[in-house]
Amino acid sequence: DAMVIQNPRYQVTQFGKPVTLSCSQTLNHNVMYWYQQKSSQAPKLLFHYYDKDFNNEADTPDNFQSRRPNTSFCFLDIRSPGLGDAAMYLCATSRDRATSYEQYFGPGTRLTVT
Amino acid sequence: GQQLNQSPQSMFIQEGEDVSMNCTSSSIFNTWLWYKQDPGEGPVLLIALYKAGELTSNGRLTAQFGITRKDSFLNISASIPSDVGIYFCAGQPTPDPNYGGSQGNLIFGKGTKLSVKP
Repeated sequence: DAMVIQNPRYQVTQFGKPVTLSCSQTLNHNVMYWYQQKSSQAPKLLFHYYDKDFNNEADTPDNFQSRRPNTSFCFLDIRSPGLGDAAMYLCATSRDRATSYEQYFGPGTRLTVT
Repeated sequence: GQQLNQSPQSMFIQEGEDVSMNCTSSSIFNTWLWYKQDPGEGPVLLIALYKAGELTSNGRLTAQFGITRKDSFLNISASIPSDVGIYFCAGQPTPDPNYGGSQGNLIFGKGTKLSVKP
């Protein structure tokens, strides 16, 4: 059974039109991460939640926001998508900060910006 | 900031061949991990290494945590067609007071793309 679920798998949005990607997990893990992965590149961490504590990476643009309403769900909001935001967005979880090295990834959402 | 150098960038395999790839860093890492990513999917954890010198196997895969804590390699023996994909090394560095990002998170290498020889 899938443990980290991302919906939708494919998302098309228009330039400047806000979009929300969702992630849910059945592992009851405390930490949830959002990564951006562009073609032929490594995943790049955008931010993570430790429980309700939000941690932004220093170079994550303000255009990217996140919400975690409860343990199971985490959302990535892109307020005004640009063409350069087209990428695969990966959600991951880890049991807690001490085990942040052991991350479980979802299948990703492929975002296209037209 | 901390970076991982992963090589080779790409390689072609013939079924039955052994494959080797490695990652190096200029700084010390506490943990090394190897992930495999198939097209259109998220990375899947293959092997995790926690101690310098540790050698761990997972089926036909073997990985080692370098003694200096600055490198790791992954070997795949007797490759099969389903081994194709992108392999990423990842590590958890020791905390760096000069690093502007959040501490304790994973740093990823740029990946090694395995393809089948035409």
